[in-house]
Amino acid sequence: GQQLNQSPQSMFIQEGEDVSMNCTSSSIFNTWLWYKQDPGEGPVLLIALYKAGELTSNGRLTAQFGITRKDSFLNISASIPSDVGIYFCAGQLSYGGSQGNLIFGKGTKLSVKP
Amino acid sequence: NAGVTQTPKFQVLKTGQSMTLQCAQDMNHNSMYWYRQDPGMGLRLIYYSASEGTTDKGEVPNGYNVSRLNKREFSLRLESAAPSQTSVYFCASTDVGWGNEQFFGPGTRLTVL
Repeated sequence: GQQLNQSPQSMFIQEGEDVSMNCTSSSIFNTWLWYKQDPGEGPVLLIALYKAGELTSNGRLTAQFGITRKDSFLNISASIPSDVGIYFCAGQLSYGGSQGNLIFGKGTKLSVKP
Repeated sequence: NAGVTQTPKFQVLKTGQSMTLQCAQDMNHNSMYWYRQDPGMGLRLIYYSASEGTTDKGEVPNGYNVSRLNKREFSLRLESAAPSQTSVYFCASTDVGWGNEQFFGPGTRLTVL
């Protein structure tokens, strides 16, 4: 099936640092979504992107829909301890039918630097 | 609004036992989904229901059945559990239309011995 390549797989953050992660694919997507999952919880939607080139912010989080429609980026500025968790990207190939289902990346795990 | 609720939160089964995972949403969403999450694998779609009265297979449907009981409820059944079905199961829902912004439940953690 379709795959999203999400990187990095994991990273350690120190409070105050900026964080970047991305998802890439060989396919063109109509929609990119970014989710965060806290331990023992379900994923929560952070940002939704619908147009190539779109740049959207949600507080300290900023995400971009790549101009080629094959990638997306998520940046977290001035990280704080509660940013730890797993971040997932998800893409939608087209609207409706099975192609409208989300395809998820494998996640980026953020942990606090010891 | 409770959003998406799932029961039970935890379950331990023996190989060959059957069980049903329950999911309900109170957002009047048309579409509902069942995913499984395994370490390092992300979320994989098991079955989905685009609207009341319809169900379709996702990426990993083998060993599972589903029932869309009504617009609110979508259940997932394991007829004969296997250790390979040890996983965390998430239900999600979304409204019809473009974007497919899905809302997730808290998950059911299933162990099959």
